[in-house]
Amino acid sequence: QKEVEQNSGPLSVPEGAIASLNCTYSDRGSQSFFWYRQYSGKSPELIMSIYSNGDKEDGRFTAQLNKASQYVSLLIRDSQPSDSATYLCALNPDSSYKLIFGSGTRLLVRP
Amino acid sequence: EAGVAQSPRYKIIEKRQSVAFWCNPISGHATLYWYQQILGQGPKLLIQFQNNGVVDDSQLPKDRFSAERLKGVDSTLKIQPAKLEDSAVYLCASSFELQDTQYFGPGTRLTVL
Repeated sequence: QKEVEQNSGPLSVPEGAIASLNCTYSDRGSQSFFWYRQYSGKSPELIMSIYSNGDKEDGRFTAQLNKASQYVSLLIRDSQPSDSATYLCALNPDSSYKLIFGSGTRLLVRP
Repeated sequence: EAGVAQSPRYKIIEKRQSVAFWCNPISGHATLYWYQQILGQGPKLLIQFQNNGVVDDSQLPKDRFSAERLKGVDSTLKIQPAKLEDSAVYLCASSFELQDTQYFGPGTRLTVL
């Protein structure tokens, strides 16, 4: 079992819709979770970090964490074509500060 | 504030050749990371430095890969000899300290023929 699992997609949504990206993980000791956005041919950039169960909102983005279900999600409201990218879920396993990444979900926002 | 710098941006080599990548982190960042990202996959950590000491190199193929950060600032990653499966983007990242946000450089795209 991979440590961080994501559906590779592509997830296609119309402009203005809510995009929902999901991630499951295997290490129950993981404490910190991150969502990175990666445009084609570019390097990853951090969008959100979440450390506690529940929701965390930042502008159009909401991260959701459920440690009991070992599940992290990212919601993008009012999706824009410029949101089209690969979204990488990452975590710090145990007390380590290294990042373990999933393979990413490709999001396509149709104009 | 200047970002993480990497060079070269692209490199094409034959298998069994050697190659080296260079990274200069954001000024003042103590922690430096090298990741390998194979097409269609997420980045995989190869080695993590705190100043000039190695924190984690558990996934570095030490028979062919080496990395150093002698003065605790810039770093080099070397592959010798390269294999076809080493074709990937090599990303350098840095953070102020271990627990802080990691900022990625533009990467070096390596093609091994």
